[in-house]
Amino acid sequence: AQSVTQLDSQVPVFEEAPVELRCNYSSSVSVYLFWYVQYPNQGLQLLLKYLSGSTLVESINGFEAEFNKSQTSFHLRKPSVHISDTAEYFCAVSEPGGFKTIFGAGTRLFVKA
Amino acid sequence: GAGVSQSPSNKVTEKGKDVELRCDPISGHTALYWYRQRLGQGLEFLIYFQGNSAPDKSGLPSDRFSAERTGESVSTLTIQRTQQEDSAVYLCASSPPGGRAEEQFFGPGTRLTVL
Repeated sequence: AQSVTQLDSQVPVFEEAPVELRCNYSSSVSVYLFWYVQYPNQGLQLLLKYLSGSTLVESINGFEAEFNKSQTSFHLRKPSVHISDTAEYFCAVSEPGGFKTIFGAGTRLFVKA
Repeated sequence: GAGVSQSPSNKVTEKGKDVELRCDPISGHTALYWYRQRLGQGLEFLIYFQGNSAPDKSGLPSDRFSAERTGESVSTLTIQRTQQEDSAVYLCASSPPGGRAEEQFFGPGTRLTVL
């Protein structure tokens, strides 16, 4: 069975500081990996995904995540955060071609001025 | 519409009452998912519809939970005899033909509070 662990439930950071949101997964098969973002009072949005190929994937708003198979991790990073990045971030895993997605418990990123 | 919509956005009910939650998927999307998000927890898969195939109900937590879908459009999640532990945000997602997990689009959710 697949599972996802997000090690931090809350991460407070100051604006323009770097941030890393940690995600580890377990799976006996190959995986697709995702980060979703949920802004206050909005639905989940796909932030970025790893399906195959380059292990470093990027989003349009400056986030990046690296698939590390040996460490079974998919940590999300941003070198300089903005107030508008305040949201809850969910790491998720699915099997290639499958329909079920397993989500982590989420990490609440709070960016302070 | 442009995205997945859900109604109501908030629902407060008394223990023991039945509730119905509605999901309108993106037009043309054949796959539809329901998830539950309890406070401080990740999303739990509840049920999956794909076209005219039999739905995958493996995530429904008890027989008090049921869901229906009319063709490839609206879906209704029904919770009978609600309990306080049913309090959560219920999220719906849809995806294009093929229904792969990596192509899900989520609605804003319905926040259910059972008193």
